Amino acid sequence: QVQLVQSGAEVKKPGASVKVSCKASGYTFTSYGISWVRQAPGQGLEWMGWISAYNGNTNYAQKLQGRVTMTTDTSTSTAYMELRSLRSDDTAVYYCARDGVAVAGDLDVWGKGTTVTVSS
Amino acid sequence: EIVLTQSPATLSLSPGERATLSCRASQSVSSYLAWYQQKPGQAPRLLIYDASNRATGIPARFSGSGSGTDFTLTISSLEPEDFAVYYCQQRSNFGPGTKVDIK
Repeated sequence: QVQLVQSGAEVKKPGASVKVSCKASGYTFTSYGISWVRQAPGQGLEWMGWISAYNGNTNYAQKLQGRVTMTTDTSTSTAYMELRSLRSDDTAVYYCARDGVAVAGDLDVWGKGTTVTVSS
Repeated sequence: EIVLTQSPATLSLSPGERATLSCRASQSVSSYLAWYQQKPGQAPRLLIYDASNRATGIPARFSGSGSGTDFTLTISSLEPEDFAVYYCQQRSNFGPGTKVDIK
């Protein structure tokens, strides 16, 4: 079955970086993109960015430009999201979701989420 | 940037009742609008894409309508498992959500 399996919870200090992985299975990885969405405690959903698994094109949320990098490894069907210079307000559950190959759109398959806690 | 607003923020209804949720875009998004359901501790689930198409496995009691700037998600008869938060989304933008809770 189609699924996205994310890496485990992380605890980081302010100023550090975190890299979350998202391993896809059950479909042709390079025929889709991956979007990353985060959700701070008790808050709504925030779109972080999108990457095409076909050609590596990316589109990042403006507020995260310069701090976030999304990559893929097609040999292992895995997507990665790295967030740098972490702050306390980056504490959130981070989700990866299957998206369109050419542009961000509907998210039809989601990972279970990775909790990232930023605390000194 | 397109801004999505959802109303009401909270909808208190009983099982069996009809739920009508609204999503408004700050400018036309044509029919590029999706709806998601999220239950506590779970990832969101795609319900509707392109404004009116049910995603795979979604029950027929869920329907979407609208185009341009005004969209509606309707749940024809609420089941106990439908009490959750619902978000609309247009590409890189999510609405703030509508919580449907038990009256």
